[in-house]
Formats: sequence, structure tokens, C-alpha cells
Amino acid sequence: KAGVTQTPRYLIKTRGQQVTLSCSPISGHRSVSWYQQTPGQGLQFLFEYFSETQRNKGNFPGRFSGRQFSNSRSEMNVSTLELGDSALYLCASSRGWDHEQFFGPGTRLTVL
Amino acid sequence: DQQVKQNSPSLSVQEGRISILNCDYTNSMFDYFLWYKKYPAEGPTFLISISSIKDKNEDGRFTVFLNKSAKHLSLHIVPSQPGDSAVYFCAASKSGNQFYFGTGTSLTVIP
Repeated sequence: KAGVTQTPRYLIKTRGQQVTLSCSPISGHRSVSWYQQTPGQGLQFLFEYFSETQRNKGNFPGRFSGRQFSNSRSEMNVSTLELGDSALYLCASSRGWDHEQFFGPGTRLTVL
Repeated sequence: DQQVKQNSPSLSVQEGRISILNCDYTNSMFDYFLWYKKYPAEGPTFLISISSIKDKNEDGRFTVFLNKSAKHLSLHIVPSQPGDSAVYFCAASKSGNQFYFGTGTSLTVIP
């Protein structure tokens, strides 16, 4: 069974630009969660989608948004990028009703 | 507001000895706790978990202990091996799929 895939793996953008990250969950998984990892902050929860609906949301500004498609693939968008948005963005998939999450390798975003 | 805390950013242990990683949480509503292991350039991988109705869960060399009154959990690795060197994250959840992670502890097992 293929694991969680994230594209692209690395991304460099400049302040003010926007970016879209993609996550393909494990086949059969209906839940996708997004996390931001920065040094000293651990993994900060962004949001979770289940069956195309946002089910949970963390404390991030509205510049961070996401969506999920009917095939459970998910995208995360960050608009008006700031230097502080530089981080590793991880997505995790799960069946949606248990606690076991499987993480992708992440997308390393650098904002210059 | 960091609801899950790992106060030791790093830990070094000799091969064959016990590694003890600690985690504290503030929200008494958390009912499920997990430990993840992360190597550089990879996503975290699930290691072991424990429900709040238990106080101990064991899986091979890994044991997680939960002390609800102290809002504290710990991961014991016995015996520690060089391949265990990684960053370990604890996470907590309350009746759903939203997880709160700690900041991680970098474990180095010295051969």
C-alpha cells in the first residue's frame, strides 16, 4: 500500500506570494490533517478535512486555507506569504474514526 | 498556548541503557496519547499509544506510562539502540482527530 505523498518536497517563495501544497493520502483514508513544524514549536495543527469537509481547525490566520477533493486528496494554500511561514508542512492521513495517523515526508517551504 | 510540553529538547544515552522521554500536558480532557519518532527528511512515524483508561502500554522495547493525576506521560526504551536516535514527539487528542504535539526531544544513543 502506498504511503502518504506530498508535493512538492521543497519550495522557495518570496514575501507576498501565495503557495499551494498538495497531499495524497493512503488509499481508503478519508481524513487529512495538516501541520506546520518550526524549530522550537513542534507540530502545530492547522486543520483537518474529512470527506471534503473541514472538521477541525487550529489557531492560524485566515491566510491559511485548505480543501479536500472527492478522492480525498487535499491541498493547502497560504496567501500573502510572510517570512515566518517558512516551515516544514506535514500532512497526515487516517481512516477518520481512529487515532492512527500516517504522515507524509513534508514540504519544506522557504519564504525569502 | 502549548497544551503538550516536552521540556527536554535533547537526551543522550549509552547503547544498552534505558532511555526515558517525558511529556506533560495541561488539558485533562485529553483521552488518547501517542508517541511518534521522526528521522530527518521524513515525516513522523507512529511508535506507541495509550488510552486514558490505561496507565501502561508495552510494545517490545517500548513502554509508555501515563500518570493522569500528574498529567504526565513517559516513554521508556529498553535497551536503547543506535537506530533509536531520532526526534521523539508526544501527542494528545480529545475525542477526535485533532492532535496536539509537543516540541520534541532529540534522542542520541551512543554506541
